[in-house]
Amino acid sequence: GQQLNQSPQSMFIQEGEDVSMNCTSSSIFNTWLWYKQDPGEGPVLLIALYKAGELTSNGRLTAQFGITRKDSFLNISASIPSDVGIYFCAGHPSGGSYIPTFGRGTSLIVHP
Amino acid sequence: SQTIHQWPATLVQPVGSPLSLECTVEGTSNPNLYWYRQAAGRGLQLLFYSVGIGQISSEVPQNLSASRPQDRQFILSSKKLLLSDSGFYLCAWENSNGQPQHFGDGTRLSIL
Repeated sequence: GQQLNQSPQSMFIQEGEDVSMNCTSSSIFNTWLWYKQDPGEGPVLLIALYKAGELTSNGRLTAQFGITRKDSFLNISASIPSDVGIYFCAGHPSGGSYIPTFGRGTSLIVHP
Repeated sequence: SQTIHQWPATLVQPVGSPLSLECTVEGTSNPNLYWYRQAAGRGLQLLFYSVGIGQISSEVPQNLSASRPQDRQFILSSKKLLLSDSGFYLCAWENSNGQPQHFGDGTRLSIL
C-alpha cells in the first residue's frame, strides 16, 4: 500500500523557535492533511490542502501542498508550550483507495 | 454542526473478557466510519471501515470485529480480549470519499 514518510520523528525546541516538519510519498497524492493530537485525545484537523502548490495558513501554522504532489510541509512559527503534541500528516493517494494514508507522526516538545 | 462521540473514555478489562466500544456521529448522514488503534502514542493503525449500514471492511486480521447497526453508529467488539489488544482506540468519520476525517476523543483500553 501507500507509504508516507514523515520527518522528523521527534523535535525538542525552545519556546519561540520556528518548527518545520514534512511528509513525502513515492506516489502522487490528491489531498494533504495535517492533524495535531494532544495527549490522551483524538487528532484534530489543522489544515487541509487540495491543490498542488497550495499554501494555507491557520494562525501560526502554515502548510503547503508540494508542486510534485508527492510531499507537503507544515511550519509552526514562534512556538508556544501548547504546541506540544503529535503532528500527523495524511493524504489521499491519486487513483487509489479513498481511505487516507497517515504518516507515523512527529512528536513536538516545547521547552518554556 | 457534526459531532462524534466515543465511549467509554477509559476501560480496564481482564484477559479473555468481551469488549464493546461504541461510536456515534451526529449532524450528518451516511458518513464513512473508521476504527483505528494507536499503540504507545504513535502511528494510527486502521482496523475497520464502513461505507454504509451493515458494510464492514477489515484491514487487519485479529480477534476484533466491527458492526454498523445504524447509519451513524459504529461498534468495535471482541469476544475474548488479548493482552495485545491494549491501546488507544479512535473512531473517525468523513462526509464522503476524499474528505478529511474527523476523530473522536478515543478510548484508552488496558488489558490486565
